[in-house]
Amino acid sequence: GESVGLHLPTLSVQEGDNSIINCAYSNSASDYFIWYKQESGKGPQFIIDIRSNMDKRQGQRVTVLLNKTVKHLSLQIAATQPGDSAVYFCAEIPDSSYKLIFGSGTRLLVRP
Amino acid sequence: GAVVSQHPSWVICKSGTSVKIECRSLDFQATTMFWYRQFPKQSLMLMATSNEGSKATYEQGVEKDKFLINHASLTLSTLTVTSAHPEDSSFYICSAQTGVTNEKLFFGSGTQLSVL
Repeated sequence: GESVGLHLPTLSVQEGDNSIINCAYSNSASDYFIWYKQESGKGPQFIIDIRSNMDKRQGQRVTVLLNKTVKHLSLQIAATQPGDSAVYFCAEIPDSSYKLIFGSGTRLLVRP
Repeated sequence: GAVVSQHPSWVICKSGTSVKIECRSLDFQATTMFWYRQFPKQSLMLMATSNEGSKATYEQGVEKDKFLINHASLTLSTLTVTSAHPEDSSFYICSAQTGVTNEKLFFGSGTQLSVL
């Protein structure tokens, strides 16, 4: 595999607070990035995407920020809810490849 | 969004037996499907790319004779884990591509394989 995470970092937030999940991607040639949410025992669920010609994109309660200089991607979740508890993965598509490469993931725990 | 159905959702088998996992695109045609493997607390690792009507393309380190992939129609790809062993126990996930690029990807719900 091209991207393996041995341990999932965990982010614990209070319900109602904002969450920021970070991801460092590997390929400077990647031009498309996606954030996925994965609940236990389920497949990944699309959250939001961004192209490399953008540095910010907003969705409903979520914002993705892209910093190509340092190859960093972040997902901001506003007013975090218990239903947001899951593992979040960033994924990149290298410009020269059709393959989706996943980052190592972050577990988000929302405290009631 | 498009629906990808994966079956079975979980399977337990004896060591040495073979297990087939199905991935179906229910409301669209998928010329390309992808198979991933995910160990506990780890990320998804791409195993192979399945193209309708042609041989699958395997990632480095993935045994093609161990993980047989068949993509006989535009809506169905199957992954067969042959002669399964306990180390093959994992969560297997498929995804299907709707567009000409990888951007329109929809994932199945995954199959948890436990080999005793």
